[in-house]
Order: sequence, then C-alpha cells, then structure tokens
Amino acid sequence: ETGVTQSPTHLIKTRGQQVTLRCSSQSGHNTVSWYQQALGQGPQFIFQYYREEENGRGNFPPRFSGLQFPNYSSELNVNALELDDSALYLCASSLAGTASYNEQFFGPGTRLTVL
Amino acid sequence: GENVEQHPSTLSVQEGDSAVIKCTYSDSASNYFPWYKQELGKGPQLIIDIRSNVGEKKDQRIAVTLNKTAKHFSLHITETQPEDSAVYFCAASKPAAGNKLTFGGGTRVLVKP
Repeated sequence: ETGVTQSPTHLIKTRGQQVTLRCSSQSGHNTVSWYQQALGQGPQFIFQYYREEENGRGNFPPRFSGLQFPNYSSELNVNALELDDSALYLCASSLAGTASYNEQFFGPGTRLTVL
Repeated sequence: GENVEQHPSTLSVQEGDSAVIKCTYSDSASNYFPWYKQELGKGPQLIIDIRSNVGEKKDQRIAVTLNKTAKHFSLHITETQPEDSAVYFCAASKPAAGNKLTFGGGTRVLVKP
C-alpha cells in the first residue's frame, strides 16, 4: 500500500508569484483534501476534491484553486502569492463511499516560503 | 461553523507517567473525532479516532473518551515513552460537511526520560 506523497518538499517564492503543489493519494483512495498549516497552529481546511470536482471549500479566497485528475492525484494552485501564504501545505486522502470515509491520511506536506 | 478548542497547549510529563489532552467542540452535529500526532518535519499521523455512537476506545497505551452531552473528548496516553514526544491535534467533522476536519490548536507533549 502506497502512502500519500507530496511534491516538492520545500519551495521559496516571491510575493505576487504563482505556485503549484502536487499530491498523490494513498493507493485505493478517491478523495483528496488540502489543508494549510501556519507555524504553531492546527491545519485549516482549504478544499476537497472528489471525482475531479470541488466538494467543499473552507474560508480561502478564489486565488486558491485546485484540480483532481482521473488517477485521483491532485494539484493546489495559489496565484498572487502573499507573505501570509507562507505555511506547510498538507494533502490528505480518504475513501468516500465506505464506512471509513472519515479517515484521512496525510502526506508529509510542502513547506512554502513567500518572500 | 465548528470550533474546536484544545488544552493544554504544552504538556511536560516524566517517562512512565500518563498524559491527558482535552478538546471541546461547538457543533452538536459533529460525529467523528480523530486524534493526530505530528512529529517535526512530518505530516499529521492518525493515531486513534472515535465516532459519536461510542463513549470510549482503546488501542494499547492510547485511549479516547467522548462526552457528547458536554461536547468534549479527551486523549489519554499511559506509560509515556520518549517517542511519544510530539505535537498532538484533535479534530472534529460532521456528515453535512463531507469529511472536512476542523482542528484544535495542538498540544506539544514533551516526555522527559
């Protein structure tokens, strides 16, 4: 069984730039959720993708967008980067349609620094 | 929306002692309560969870209790070991929100040998 993987591990960007983060879900999982974790805080829900469509969104502006592909992998795109976007971005996968659909398994995250 | 409060923010225990972390939630519709352990430089790892139809769940040295009436749940770690040192997060989710997790602020646990 392959766990959740994310790339890149670290990224440095400047204010105003755009960034794309990638996630491969755990083998057999069909749902991907993205979270932002600021230093010293708990993760905050950005959005979730199921069957290649957005399935719920947290309190994040439209410059945060995503995609899910037929193989259930996913991308998080952030446009017009701001300093406050500096955080650890976590991807979590789960299996919708089963009794254990709540269980989310996280990847190692991508550390984004915006200068 | 849901709000999850977690206490304490830091916890220092002697190896072999017990550690208890408490969380409260605001939305009575929440029905799933996982606990995650996050080590430095890693993503959160699911260590135990409980659903609202159960009052207590154990897995070796770890147990979780849920009081739906009071809207609080707790993590208990017995016989703590140095490798238990990490940041622990509680979370809550409800059916109407898919499986979106709302996290507490975290508890940094230090187990002193």
